[in-house]
Amino acid sequence: SQTIHQWPATLVQPVGSPLSLECTVEGTSNPNLYWYRQAAGRGLQLLFYSVGIGQISSEVPQNLSASRPQDRQFILSSKKLLLSDSGFYLCAWSLGAEAFFGQGTRLTVV
Amino acid sequence: TQLLEQSPQFLSIQEGENLTVYCNSSSVFSSLQWYRQEPGEGPVLLVTVVTGGEVKKLKRLTFQFGDARKDSSLHITAAQPGDTGLYLCAGERDFNKFYFGSGTKLNVKP
Repeated sequence: SQTIHQWPATLVQPVGSPLSLECTVEGTSNPNLYWYRQAAGRGLQLLFYSVGIGQISSEVPQNLSASRPQDRQFILSSKKLLLSDSGFYLCAWSLGAEAFFGQGTRLTVV
Repeated sequence: TQLLEQSPQFLSIQEGENLTVYCNSSSVFSSLQWYRQEPGEGPVLLVTVVTGGEVKKLKRLTFQFGDARKDSSLHITAAQPGDTGLYLCAGERDFNKFYFGSGTKLNVKP
């Protein structure tokens, strides 16, 4: 069966520091991969979408970037974090009409 | 701008009551999903509806997809405290991109 791993679970970073969040999927090949951000108790905002290695689509302009160096690995990065980057970040995978999520990373920028 | 609007935003009811959550859009979706999310965790998929007018039942939960594939509803019969959580709808379009509603926070009191 397919599983998705996302780490770390929580992260506290100072303003101006770099960021790297990693997500890996097991048990499937060539999935679509997604990064979402969620404000407290609210809906999810699609940040990045990838259909294959090196193929990244950005949904909203922002201080973040994404990369897909391997088929089942998706990385969310920033060179310099802003206070407004704080939030709950979720990685997801899909092969069609359903998306499946990781456990999320709570990022607090201080 | 949110593609999908959910209502109500908050709902607090007594155990045994019925409730309906609505998910509306002016956009057409290829499919629509409903998720439930616990605090600090990723959303968990409840159901996917694909055909306009489709109705799916999952124990005490009934999901309906609008005829025009622009809206959906989730009805819970005889709510229980275990139903408490954040309910999210998501519409799929643009080749497997998932756009989420703003969420409905449900609290079922014993």
